[in-house]
Amino acid sequence: NAGVTQTPKFQVLKTGQSMTLQCAQDMNHNSMYWYRQDPGMGLRLIYYSASEGTTDKGEVPNGYNVSRLNKREFSLRLESAAPSQTSVYFCASSADRGRETQYFGPGTRLLVL
Amino acid sequence: GDSVTQMEGPVTLSEEAFLTINCTYTATGYPSLFWYVQYPGEGLQLLLKATKADDKGSNKGFEATYRKETTSFHLEKGSVQVSDSAVYFCALTDSGAGSYQLTFGKGTKLSVIP
Repeated sequence: NAGVTQTPKFQVLKTGQSMTLQCAQDMNHNSMYWYRQDPGMGLRLIYYSASEGTTDKGEVPNGYNVSRLNKREFSLRLESAAPSQTSVYFCASSADRGRETQYFGPGTRLLVL
Repeated sequence: GDSVTQMEGPVTLSEEAFLTINCTYTATGYPSLFWYVQYPGEGLQLLLKATKADDKGSNKGFEATYRKETTSFHLEKGSVQVSDSAVYFCALTDSGAGSYQLTFGKGTKLSVIP
């Protein structure tokens, strides 16, 4: 039981390049989330998917797109990376939305030059 | 909107000292409250949670009580260990506001020295 897995663990991009961060969970959870963590800012929600087939914007969605590929997988895409997107990205999942505990992956550290 | 304010760090304590990390919140509805912990180089792990007023969450010697009257959820531990060194995040979900996301505080870094 791996929980929530993320790939890659670390990535360096040049400004304007694109990339997709992958996330998968094996807990049969309905809801999945993408956060970014910046120093002194805590974690901020980028996008979430309450259930398979739905996605919604969070607090900081600009510059990102997401795809809920199936119940297990939720990807985050940067179409044209900017230095302001240098951050650590965490994927999380929960059995359902609301009061349920969220389980986090190990994170992807992204550096945009 | 919802918000979480927690004591800013860093906090440095000697082993076996008493720990308190303050957390207060603002919510539209009736939130659930969480403490998450992040060890160096890792993702966040749930430490404890409480879903209604006066509930006490506890785990690994840590405790926090949901106080609706003071809108607080302070984290305490009677005797910290070096292995408790980490960043601690207070968070809430507020389904009553129609939003199901976790709202986090900015985190408090704890360092415990032998």
